Amino acid sequence: DQQVKQNSPSLSVQEGRISILNCDYTNSMFDYFLWYKKYPAEGPTFLISISSIKDKNEDGRFTVFLNKSAKHLSLHIVPSQPGDSAVYFCAATSAVGTGTASKLTFGTGTRLQVTL
Amino acid sequence: KAGVTQTPRYLIKTRGQQVTLSCSPISGHRSVSWYQQTPGQGLQFLFEYFSETQRNKGNFPGRFSGRQFSNSRSEMNVSTLELGDSALYLCASSSRVGRNEQYFGPGTRLTVT
Repeated sequence: DQQVKQNSPSLSVQEGRISILNCDYTNSMFDYFLWYKKYPAEGPTFLISISSIKDKNEDGRFTVFLNKSAKHLSLHIVPSQPGDSAVYFCAATSAVGTGTASKLTFGTGTRLQVTL
Repeated sequence: KAGVTQTPRYLIKTRGQQVTLSCSPISGHRSVSWYQQTPGQGLQFLFEYFSETQRNKGNFPGRFSGRQFSNSRSEMNVSTLELGDSALYLCASSSRVGRNEQYFGPGTRLTVT
């Protein structure tokens, strides 16, 4: 049972344009969401997160939007740069604020290619 | 601040053997989690340790075990290796102050032949 889904395995965007990566979840207990970027042969790198009490969080070129009623989140990258080419994973967890990290449930990833 | 380090980076073992992987978290981080990444199953949670205690466990057989030491360093052990255990094993650490951002190491690539 895939509780976190990224239905687009790949996405190609021109440099300077907006990249929109989507993620859906089914578990209503999830209350904290994260995006990670992963290059080959490296561990995932944390990008941005959002708590379920918010619907938007912005950090530089990266913005994450959360639609709780639709159980959907998206990552916007503006403007896209060639160095953004990587696999992007969304992840979800619950029990925020317990003082410990909880297990992350990952989506299957979307490979973003930013072309010149 | 140094990042999460994992040793060894690459490992080749044969079926039936056992293996121990090591992870050193970011200084000051007390939570360490382990994940397995395979092409078929993606990134899957193995277990989480905090203050030397296992706090969460994923759906893996008992052949997969771990521990955490008083300095927060962690090890995971896989006994009686199977071909399907070939994967990238990732360790992640986070601070204890209610933040869930986990910072990953580069991983250990385990190949079972």
